[in-house]
Amino acid sequence: GAGVSQSPSNKVTEKGKDVELRCDPISGHTALYWYRQSLGQGLEFLIYFQGNSAPDKSGLPSDRFSAERTGGSVSTLTIQRTQQEDSAVYLCASSWPHQGNTIYFGEGSWLTVV
Amino acid sequence: GESVGLHLPTLSVQEGDNSIINCAYSNSASDYFIWYKQESGKGPQFIIDIRSNMDKRQGQRVTVLLNKTVKHLSLQIAATQPGDSAVYFCAENSPGNTPLVFGKGTRLSVIA
Repeated sequence: GAGVSQSPSNKVTEKGKDVELRCDPISGHTALYWYRQSLGQGLEFLIYFQGNSAPDKSGLPSDRFSAERTGGSVSTLTIQRTQQEDSAVYLCASSWPHQGNTIYFGEGSWLTVV
Repeated sequence: GESVGLHLPTLSVQEGDNSIINCAYSNSASDYFIWYKQESGKGPQFIIDIRSNMDKRQGQRVTVLLNKTVKHLSLQIAATQPGDSAVYFCAENSPGNTPLVFGKGTRLSVIA
């Protein structure tokens, strides 16, 4: 596609339920990132995939959070047993493989845990 | 730890005036910097970037200045327009497979 595509754009879920958020990066981009943004806050790094290398999971806040990237393209961020503090915008971004390339963001998935 | 931060959390400017948004970074190894604009309800949008071998780069109505001596980055917007109202983030990248580190953001409000 022309840009980074994320789905769903909005998700309301009950506390304790699992959610899956999907990211479709720009075609050809081998680097994929997930960030989280709470209301009125900056971007918090979650996880980073680069080609076939092991992902950098250093930003995942707890073991309830996981992400995978299948076939080097689409990525899914899974949050298990959601808590109210998980409510945020989850932003996906992608870039060309080399360090120092521009990172392009999707519009985000707005998650509300009630 | 290493971090990227902003001097001013909010900035109000008159339409037509120039805006300057500042950012301080602390990781001396950072060699690539980006400014993003985020409008309400949208994802961050790339504005302009600069590599550490440069100290100035110009785009359309925007200029980024990099002062490596004092680890300072600024975004200048010429003839600010109402459509420039948004939150602006600076981000830094250091060598290797490392993710971008973002500052907290500055909200720019343009007064018509």
